[in-house]
Amino acid sequence: GENVEQHPSTLSVQEGDSAVIKCTYSDSASNYFPWYKQELGKGPQLIIDIRSNVGEKKDQRIAVTLNKTAKHFSLHITETQPEDSAVYFCAASGSSGSARQLTFGSGTQLTVLP
Amino acid sequence: NAGVTQTPKFRVLKTGQSMTLLCAQDMNHEYMYWYRQDPGMGLRLIHYSVGEGTTAKGEVPDGYNVSRLKKQNFLLGLESAAPSQTSVYFCASSEQGVSTEAFFGQGTRLTVV
Repeated sequence: GENVEQHPSTLSVQEGDSAVIKCTYSDSASNYFPWYKQELGKGPQLIIDIRSNVGEKKDQRIAVTLNKTAKHFSLHITETQPEDSAVYFCAASGSSGSARQLTFGSGTQLTVLP
Repeated sequence: NAGVTQTPKFRVLKTGQSMTLLCAQDMNHEYMYWYRQDPGMGLRLIHYSVGEGTTAKGEVPDGYNVSRLKKQNFLLGLESAAPSQTSVYFCASSEQGVSTEAFFGQGTRLTVV
């Protein structure tokens, strides 16, 4: 099955700096890669996703890049703000079909220092 | 529009007791999922359902059972709770399977003593 590794497990940045979280996956058939943000005491919430036919996607201060050859994808947050502090999870999935499962990374605790 | 609602939010069980966690969604989604979240291990899929009346095993199904009698509800049962089942449980739903956005509930913190 799919194996997703996520690094780093903790990340502290100064407000205004950039943050980068990296993930690798094992199943070459995976073609959907979402990123979820989980605030304390809440469920995860989708912040951005990318499909295998695209190399990069951007939404305001958040961007995701995908390298299918190397089987890795990354989350980039620019101009970080205190409200960006949360746990971030990457995930990978196979082709869109009912039998595929979404496999999550172990999470990154991001702390933005004021 | 409540989204995904989990009941209860907290529960303490004694080893060997049974309980049912309820998940309800009001988005008319076909797919529903139960995950458990443990420190340093991310979210792991327990069971899932691709539609009313269907269920399937995920990555860590042992010790759990599920039912999807109505499209909007997905129940997770623990027949005989064990300390290893102490975790935070999340229910999620999606419109068209794992390649579409999953909407999560707020979680249920379960402690088995």
